[in-house]
Amino acid sequence: EIVMTQSPATLSVSPGERATLSCRASQSVSSDLAWYQQKPGQPPRLLMYGASSGASDLPPRFSGGGSGTEFTLTISSLQSEDIAVYYCQQYHDWPWTFGQGTKVEIK
Amino acid sequence: EVLLVESGGALVQPGGSLRLSCAASGFTFSKYNMNWVRQVPGKGLEWVSYISAGGDTLHYAESVKGRFTVSRDNAKNSLYLEMNSLRDEDTALYYCAKVPSNTSGFKIYYYGMDVWGRGTTVTVSS
Repeated sequence: EIVMTQSPATLSVSPGERATLSCRASQSVSSDLAWYQQKPGQPPRLLMYGASSGASDLPPRFSGGGSGTEFTLTISSLQSEDIAVYYCQQYHDWPWTFGQGTKVEIK
Repeated sequence: EVLLVESGGALVQPGGSLRLSCAASGFTFSKYNMNWVRQVPGKGLEWVSYISAGGDTLHYAESVKGRFTVSRDNAKNSLYLEMNSLRDEDTALYYCAKVPSNTSGFKIYYYGMDVWGRGTTVTVSS
């Protein structure tokens, strides 16, 4: 099983500042990586697939990068509506696995 | 509007059984693979099961293999999860999710899970 590790567990960022979230895979997943945003009481929302392709209606302040075992999700200018837990997930091999999540909060 | 609506969650005793359903609308259900994903309240996401568009390819998490069975009825635009021998650790909110893909040769290219339902709650407790 491919283990996905996210860091940090909690990220405190001031409004308008950059937030960088990291995700590491225990073995290469090529670019078969997705990012999801989950707000309290809501289902996850797909943000990115293919490591760097944005889902429909994604605000341009979100970007993704990386390949192999190291990935990042960047929010270029944090907005209050971005407060959520973010999960990475690999779909390179079965079983599909998620990271444990990074909680983004306002500093 | 693309919509997934789960149902069937309930309180069940350990060792019991339950059948979850997911009703799809707003897209051609028969053309899409589907997943079940679960989440313990306050915890992270765990992928549970996958079924291909035609229902001929199935995958399960090790934690549910041999106890859960995924199926679909494309004529009814519905996805199911038959859950047997339920354990306390199966307590969670269960989501169904749409899994778009493309096939080139023998390789399947996935694009994450782009539509999720709001989930149905399964509680296993005596």
